[in-house]
Amino acid sequence: AQKITQTQPGMFVQEKEAVTLDCTYDTSDQSYGLFWYKQPSSGEMIFLIYQGSYDEQNATEGRYSLNFQKARKSANLVISASQLGDSAMYFCAISTSYDKVIFGPGTSLSVIP
Amino acid sequence: DADVTQTPRNRITKTGKRIMLECSQTKGHDRMYWYRQDPGLGLRLIYYSFDVKDINKGEISDGYSVSRQAQAKFSLSLESAIPNQTALYFCATSAWGDTEAFFGQGTRLTVV
Repeated sequence: AQKITQTQPGMFVQEKEAVTLDCTYDTSDQSYGLFWYKQPSSGEMIFLIYQGSYDEQNATEGRYSLNFQKARKSANLVISASQLGDSAMYFCAISTSYDKVIFGPGTSLSVIP
Repeated sequence: DADVTQTPRNRITKTGKRIMLECSQTKGHDRMYWYRQDPGLGLRLIYYSFDVKDINKGEISDGYSVSRQAQAKFSLSLESAIPNQTALYFCATSAWGDTEAFFGQGTRLTVV
């Protein structure tokens, strides 16, 4: 069975600073994908970034990067130059070819002006 | 038009009533999911389907049932709604493989 752990229920960051949101995972599959989603207060789920288990380079999408450490089974999200609009819930998720998509409990990020 | 459409977007219903939440997708994906989100919490899987003939229970399936009417349609039913089923419900789809899930806009259900 797959599992996602996010140990930070809430985080604060100063505007324009970088922040790291932690995610660890567990799966017995060799091929898997890791994802981060953002959920603003309006409720929609916004896909941010993807990392495949066989990708050797860390994924980046604009201000978002994924710090993938396969041996430690971690997939931390780094947001650079935080903006007020980054205040939201952030969910880490995992999927594999033969199993369902599972989400972590989420981290609430608040950006302070 | 959205790739994954949920109807209704909001619903208030009375305890004991049967209610159906519908989901349709234009992504052509085989896999479809229903998740529930309670305030301040993550997404918990209710049911999922890997194709039309495949239906699987998730971690919180009690009190819910589903129907996969076609590859593009996956409905969630509450046979006899109760107040603790008040939540935000998401439908999602994904392709085969380690791919991301694509979400509907969510349905806010209130059971009074």
